[in-house]
Amino acid sequence: QVQLQESGPGLVKPSQTLSLTCTVSGGSISSGGHYWNWIRQHPGKGLEWIGYIYYSGTTYYNPSLKSRVTISVDTSKNQFSLKLSSVTAADTAFYYCARDRSGYGYSDYWGQGTLVTVSS
Amino acid sequence: EIVLTQSPGTLSLSPGERATLSCRASQSVSSRYLAWYQQKPGQAPRLLIYGASSRAAGLPDRFSGSGSGTDFTLTISRLEPEDFAVYYCQQYGSSPYTFGQGTKLEIK
Repeated sequence: QVQLQESGPGLVKPSQTLSLTCTVSGGSISSGGHYWNWIRQHPGKGLEWIGYIYYSGTTYYNPSLKSRVTISVDTSKNQFSLKLSSVTAADTAFYYCARDRSGYGYSDYWGQGTLVTVSS
Repeated sequence: EIVLTQSPGTLSLSPGERATLSCRASQSVSSRYLAWYQQKPGQAPRLLIYGASSRAAGLPDRFSGSGSGTDFTLTISRLEPEDFAVYYCQQYGSSPYTFGQGTKLEIK
């Protein structure tokens, strides 16, 4: 059973960089076949796809966030990471990592999510 | 970007009743690349349906998805107490992938 777990600071100051890591267990990122997503949800609101990465390092980002987002992968640790720069209060959200099954575009396994608050 | 509009915003029903949730896209969703998720308070979304009508592993057959083009439907044939939650549709036919705003299914 694949499991994902987000980790990182729960509080980030405005203008700084949000950094989160997703650790995958029960399956290897480097085995290929799947893409790895970051998705966020503003409190009480809907879901927003941030972007994905493949084990090879290929990435694709939501154009609305592209200028501020970097997703990277560390296959040796079976982890992938999100960096979001120049954050504002509008970036306060629950951040989820999720597995994109076979690269089709839908997410079949999700982490529990982590709340990141942007505040001074 | 494809905008997904879900209706109704809130649906109040009783256990045992049939629920019909709608998801309408601003343009055609290619190859029926439409998924449905269920989210309960404090939990991550759970995949229910992909490819508009394929059930995720282990999903009870009271859940079914249908539709194509711009109109999609999630039907729950007989509501169980654990089905009351928020439901989201997602299109993955074109980038960026987008989600609907959600339908809250509440107990009447």
